[in-house]
Amino acid sequence: AQSVTQLDSQVPVFEEAPVELRCNYSSSVSVYLFWYVQYPNQGLQLLLKYLSGSTLVKGINGFEAEFNKSQTSFHLRKPSVHISDTAEYFCAVSFITQGGSEKLVFGKGTKLTVNP
Amino acid sequence: DAGITQSPRYKITETGRQVTLMCHQTWSHSYMFWYRQDLGHGLRLIYYSAAADITDKGEVPDGYVVSRSKTENFPLTLESATRSQTSVYFCASRERGLPYEQYFGPGTRLTVT
Repeated sequence: AQSVTQLDSQVPVFEEAPVELRCNYSSSVSVYLFWYVQYPNQGLQLLLKYLSGSTLVKGINGFEAEFNKSQTSFHLRKPSVHISDTAEYFCAVSFITQGGSEKLVFGKGTKLTVNP
Repeated sequence: DAGITQSPRYKITETGRQVTLMCHQTWSHSYMFWYRQDLGHGLRLIYYSAAADITDKGEVPDGYVVSRSKTENFPLTLESATRSQTSVYFCASRERGLPYEQYFGPGTRLTVT
């Protein structure tokens, strides 16, 4: 069965430091990959997505992610974080089921806290 | 305004009462979804709909009922609320086909006392 694992539930960093949020998935079929961000008391919004093509994907707010098929990973990175990046980040995997329908599975989230 | 809206944003209800959470989208997206978000569980799919009058169960459907008589609306009803249904509920929608990106509403925080 398909699953998504976000390896860190909480990541504290200092402002202007680099950050990596890790995501691994398990799937026997081709997948599409997403990172969503949730700011406090808000819904989720898309940061970036990988559908095909270049394995390095750039998103909004200076984030990028790299798809690694052999490692089944899709880690999110930012070279220098700001206080405003404090939020919860969700990795999600979309795949087509045997019945032909699309299913989106979310990881449990990583809470990023950027300290001054 | 274009987008996806949810109402109410906050709701407190008592155990055993029926409560309906509303979701409305203006994009005419085919698919709509209901998730609940709980600490330690991330987002879990309750129900989804591929089109008007077509709904299907997700991961945690027990205790919930949905309907979709119009493309733009997808209400979620808790027929007899329980304390375990205290949660934040998110509605989402997407177009048919790639890129499968879902657009989320702002959420409804439901407390069952």
